[in-house]
Amino acid sequence: EAGVAQSPRYKIIEKRQSVAFWCNPISGHATLYWYQQILGQGPKLLIQFQNNGVVDDSQLPKDRFSAERLKGVDSTLKIQPAKLEDSAVYLCASRGQLTYEQYFGPGTRLTVT
Amino acid sequence: KQEVTQIPAALSVPEGENLVLNCSFTDSAIYNLQWFRQDPGKGLTSLLLIQSSQREQTSGRLNASLDKSSGRSTLYIAASQPGDSATYLCAVRVYSGGGADGLTFGKGTHLIIQP
Repeated sequence: EAGVAQSPRYKIIEKRQSVAFWCNPISGHATLYWYQQILGQGPKLLIQFQNNGVVDDSQLPKDRFSAERLKGVDSTLKIQPAKLEDSAVYLCASRGQLTYEQYFGPGTRLTVT
Repeated sequence: KQEVTQIPAALSVPEGENLVLNCSFTDSAIYNLQWFRQDPGKGLTSLLLIQSSQREQTSGRLNASLDKSSGRSTLYIAASQPGDSATYLCAVRVYSGGGADGLTFGKGTHLIIQP
């Protein structure tokens, strides 16, 4: 079974630029999560999707962050405009209907200069 | 608001020792608790998941216990090896209505096993 795929793996941008990250969950997993992990911290949930609907986006900075999962499979997370404090690893995870475990992708490391 | 604390923040021990990593959480109304391993530059690998009704789970040299009423979990690693060097993260799943069940993580314990 293929794992959660993410791209790009690394991205360097200047502040005020925009950036987008892509995630492809494990096949058949209806629930998808985006987490932000700042260096030295544990991951923090940004948004949770169930199929193509948003379940929880209470910790998403909506003035600059947006996410979508149009067909209930792949998802994109966008930051516009980026700030220095957005430098972090962005992790995507998915979970099946009958399982409790979340499976994580390798992450995208974003550096904002 | 759920908060997860992991102690110690860092640990360095010689190879072969048995060790215990600690995790505490402030709200005992959890669905489950999961221990992860994170290697530098990599994503998270799930090690053990304990349901709220369970007391412990074992996988190879790893044993995780859960005391939900006191808000504590421990990860026991037996006969440590250099390959166990990584950051270990504890996370709890709390159901907060409407299907929202994202994990709340601690900051992790950075473990180094000296050869």
